[in-house]
Amino acid sequence: QVQLQQWGAGLLKPSETLSLTCAVYGGSFSGYFWSWIRQPPGKGLEWIGEINHSGSTNYSPSLKSRGTISVDTSKNRFSLKLSSVTAADTALYYCARGWYCSSTSCYGGSYAFDIWGQGTMVTVSS
Amino acid sequence: QSVLTQPPSVSAAPGQKVTISCSGSSSNIGNNSLSWYQQLPGTAPKLLIYENNKRPSGIPDRFSGSKSGTSATLGITGLQTGDEADYYCGTWDSSLSAAVFGGGTKLTVL
Repeated sequence: QVQLQQWGAGLLKPSETLSLTCAVYGGSFSGYFWSWIRQPPGKGLEWIGEINHSGSTNYSPSLKSRGTISVDTSKNRFSLKLSSVTAADTALYYCARGWYCSSTSCYGGSYAFDIWGQGTMVTVSS
Repeated sequence: QSVLTQPPSVSAAPGQKVTISCSGSSSNIGNNSLSWYQQLPGTAPKLLIYENNKRPSGIPDRFSGSKSGTSATLGITGLQTGDEADYYCGTWDSSLSAAVFGGGTKLTVL
């Protein structure tokens, strides 16, 4: 059974860099996209970006190039770095496994997310 | 402003049926498969429906999905108090080259 375990700093000051890592246990790392999704307090889900085992990435246009997702296939881990954080980046951050193929089509990125990490609350405050 | 549009809230009595709509465009719902998620309070989202109308193992058949054109619907029958949650639709947007979600719908079982 595949499980995702994530960790990272939970309290940051404005202008610092957010850093989170997600480890994949119990399953194949290839054949999926590995995503970061966040949820501000009391709000909905916002997709941040994703990476596959070969290092191909997709990012949300709204990040304005602040985000970098990397992968370490030797450890079945992937990481998120988000630079120049502000209070607007305060959120519960999830890692998730993404499916990019249906039974009939494959897309450029994930259309569904079947396994989620436990979430990491990141607060940005001076 | 979410790319996919959902009603903020819906409600129904226990045992009844409820539907939640999700509307988009040709660059997302119209040409790509849709997924639905249930998020119970204080927990991570759970995949309910994938590929428009398929249920992962373990999801009861009280949950169903359908899609027509650029809109989709999640149906829940035999409502239970345990179904009270936030529900999200999601898909890939080929124009944005990004995964997108609806704003979420809060289901209240009265």
